[in-house]
Amino acid sequence: GQQVMQIPQYQHVQEGEDFTTYCNSSTTLSNIQWYKQRPGGHPVFLIQLVKSGEVKKQKRLTFQFGEAKKNSSLHITATQTTDVGTYFCAVSNSGYALNFGKGTSLLVTP
Amino acid sequence: DGGITQSPKYLFRKEGQNVTLSCEQNLNHDAMYWYRQDPGQGLRLIYYSQIVNDFQKGDIAEGYSVSREKKESFPLTVTSAQKNPTAFYLCASSIDGVGNTIYFGEGSWLTVV
Repeated sequence: GQQVMQIPQYQHVQEGEDFTTYCNSSTTLSNIQWYKQRPGGHPVFLIQLVKSGEVKKQKRLTFQFGEAKKNSSLHITATQTTDVGTYFCAVSNSGYALNFGKGTSLLVTP
Repeated sequence: DGGITQSPKYLFRKEGQNVTLSCEQNLNHDAMYWYRQDPGQGLRLIYYSQIVNDFQKGDIAEGYSVSREKKESFPLTVTSAQKNPTAFYLCASSIDGVGNTIYFGEGSWLTVV
């Protein structure tokens, strides 16, 4: 299925700093989804991006879909300790199942 | 409550034994999935089912088997042929299988000793 590369694998920030994770594909994507998994928990859906160049915001989180629909980013402004977790991007596998990136684990130090 | 229920949450088995992980959903979703999660590996697809009595292999199906006899249920059997079965297993479902949002259960931790 379609593969996506997610970087960085880990990120450690001080509370209040910004954070960005990137998801890249070698092929054009029909859409991309983002999930968050808290430590010890299960992934939870955050958002889906469909349109070229789309930008969506959820409070301090900003999601972007590239113009060529081959990359996406998740940016968190002024991180808080509640942002700790692993963030995954996911893309459709020929429309039937989602393939997940390896995730970016975010650690926020107070 | 609506959702996906996985059981057991923690399971220990001896090497060479088959083990079945249960997954039940009451969301009336057509599609169901099994993912495996290992540290640093993200989520890898084991099997998925778009409809009752039909299922497809994912990227790492070897050593696993599934059934989908009822819409609500999608049990996963980890057989003795799976070489490294110790992992966190996540069951999920979606309204249909066409790349829609998927909802996860809380997962099952399997340790084989």
